[in-house]
Amino acid sequence: AQSVTQLDSQVPVFEEAPVELRCNYSSSVSVYLFWYVQYPNQGLQLLLKYLSGSTLVESINGFEAEFNKSQTSFHLRKPSVHISDTAEYFCAVRKTSYDKVIFGPGTSLSVIP
Amino acid sequence: EPEVTQTPSHQVTQMGQEVILRCVPISNHLYFYWYRQILGQKVEFLVSFYNNEISEKSEIFDDQFSVERPDGSNFTLKIRSTKLEDSAMYFCASSGVTSGSYNEQFFGPGTRLTVL
Repeated sequence: AQSVTQLDSQVPVFEEAPVELRCNYSSSVSVYLFWYVQYPNQGLQLLLKYLSGSTLVESINGFEAEFNKSQTSFHLRKPSVHISDTAEYFCAVRKTSYDKVIFGPGTSLSVIP
Repeated sequence: EPEVTQTPSHQVTQMGQEVILRCVPISNHLYFYWYRQILGQKVEFLVSFYNNEISEKSEIFDDQFSVERPDGSNFTLKIRSTKLEDSAMYFCASSGVTSGSYNEQFFGPGTRLTVL
């Protein structure tokens, strides 16, 4: 069975500072990896995904994540955060193209002005 | 751009009442899912549905829950006798079946269920 760990439940960071949200997963098979973002009182938005190929994936709003197979990690980074990045971030895995998505417990990112 | 829709956006019900949450998946999708998120907690898988039957369910999905695809467009989640602990946001999702490529799972906006 697959599982996802997000060690940091809350991450406060000052505006324009860099941030890293950590994610580790456990799986006996290859999985697809995702980061979802949930803004207050809203639904889930796919931020970025790793399917195959280049281990570094980027989103359109400056986030990036790197797949590290040996460390079974998929950490999310942004070099300079904005107030609007304040949200809950969920790391997730999916075993196949038809399987359920398994979510981590989430990291609450708070950007301080 | 096609999207998954859910109705209602917010449902308030009394404990013990039956509720039906409705979802309209993306039209050419064949895999359907329900998830729930209790306030402040992670998103949990409930059930997946394919070819008019449940393909997988979690331990949360007990006899109080059922799913149905009553026509060619809707996908419903019924809770037979609601409990206080059923209060949560319920997300519907769907994905396609194109072989040989990755099939994205698209999430709906959610229905917030409040059980009083």
